[in-house]
Amino acid sequence: GAGVSQSPSNKVTEKGKDVELRCDPISGHTALYWYRQRLGQGLEFLIYFQGNSAPDKSGLPSDRFSAERTGESVSTLTIQRTQQEDSAVYLCASSLASSGGAVTDTQYFGPGTRLTVL
Amino acid sequence: AQSVTQPDIHITVSEGASLELRCNYSYGATPYLFWYVQSPGQGLQLLLKYFSGDTLVQGIKGFEAEFKRSQSSFNLRKPSVHWSDAAEYFCAVGAYKGGGNKLTFGTGTQLKVEL
Repeated sequence: GAGVSQSPSNKVTEKGKDVELRCDPISGHTALYWYRQRLGQGLEFLIYFQGNSAPDKSGLPSDRFSAERTGESVSTLTIQRTQQEDSAVYLCASSLASSGGAVTDTQYFGPGTRLTVL
Repeated sequence: AQSVTQPDIHITVSEGASLELRCNYSYGATPYLFWYVQSPGQGLQLLLKYFSGDTLVQGIKGFEAEFKRSQSSFNLRKPSVHWSDAAEYFCAVGAYKGGGNKLTFGTGTQLKVEL
């Protein structure tokens, strides 16, 4: 079946503009994660959705970042008033979470959205 | 808080040679450990994972990793590297909390394979 998809693949924006990044998880996957990968750094956890539970937003770096998820499908990550330090690859992952989010769930990653803030 | 260190930023090996990528972790409880590979333009792909049991874990593409609690390490190995293995490799530790498995990644090791 289809994997995790993300759009756009590349986004160039001007400082101060808002951007929306989209993630389509694998069908049937109840858990969805957003990560950020800055140049030369590892991935940083941003936010986690599990079914209808309240999302875990503990990784969001500032209140300019927000994310939504409609049920167990598409998610959007919004960055308001973008700054140059927001430039990064934003990765989405989904997992089956068959045991309510058990640690054994494998996360499947999308190809990412490369965001460049000028 | 958990952390992962991958001390080698770049590694170059000849095709057919053996490979070992180092990973050290810091975590207060039983670690759940992963290795992912990222090829150019591709998403991360899981190579293998360790949760419990046998400390030598077999993965896809001929990779294996050994969990050593005493050394807080989870090094990735392959006996004979192929040119197609050139990619970036990430080690990660998972923290299961509140229903979520938040992965903490290392900074990655870029593998170059010389023909």
